[in-house]
Amino acid sequence: DAMVIQNPRYQVTQFGKPVTLSCSQTLNHNVMYWYQQKSSQAPKLLFHYYDKDFNNEADTPDNFQSRRPNTSFCFLDIRSPGLGDAAMYLCATSRDPGGYEQYFGPGTRLTVT
Amino acid sequence: AQSVTQPDIHITVSEGASLELRCNYSYGATPYLFWYVQSPGQGLQLLLKYFSGDTLVQGITGGEAEFKRRQSSYNLRKPSVHWSDAAEYFCAVETTSGTYKYIFGTGTRLKVLA
Repeated sequence: DAMVIQNPRYQVTQFGKPVTLSCSQTLNHNVMYWYQQKSSQAPKLLFHYYDKDFNNEADTPDNFQSRRPNTSFCFLDIRSPGLGDAAMYLCATSRDPGGYEQYFGPGTRLTVT
Repeated sequence: AQSVTQPDIHITVSEGASLELRCNYSYGATPYLFWYVQSPGQGLQLLLKYFSGDTLVQGITGGEAEFKRRQSSYNLRKPSVHWSDAAEYFCAVETTSGTYKYIFGTGTRLKVLA
């Protein structure tokens, strides 16, 4: 019984070709997060949704966008992927912000050719 | 600025040996503190968390973590390591004032020798 599901697990895209990564959750959590994790580095928060409120990190490039059409789903759109955007993208959820465990999906590994 | 430091990038121990993973943070107050584990190809899973109260937190997999306010540390310890413990371990803090923000350390990769 998967709780945070990410699709696809592996995504290959071409330089400059828009790509969308998907995350869904069965936990009915209010908060959904997107992290970028490069090899041997800490997960880096890109943005999060608290219910419908979108919170962008100050250093997240404009190239990255997100949508949350309902409680269960959240999407990460990369408008024009560059080679430097190749990474693992992790989706996580928490019941609320402030002192709650985050539940992570398995991640989507993005390759940019 | 808030930060989390895990000084050991790689640690190798023999099966059955004890283990301590170090974590230090920089934050003006006491944050919420977490240890997560990431196995290859998997997402992160919570091991231990500290919010308040008893500074020694016991995990369900035999580990424990101790919050030391003066040292701004939250080290993870395990008395006897099993081969299945090989993974990457991330310490994280969540700020407790203003906008809650999660900050992860760079991780410690644990290798276990049979």
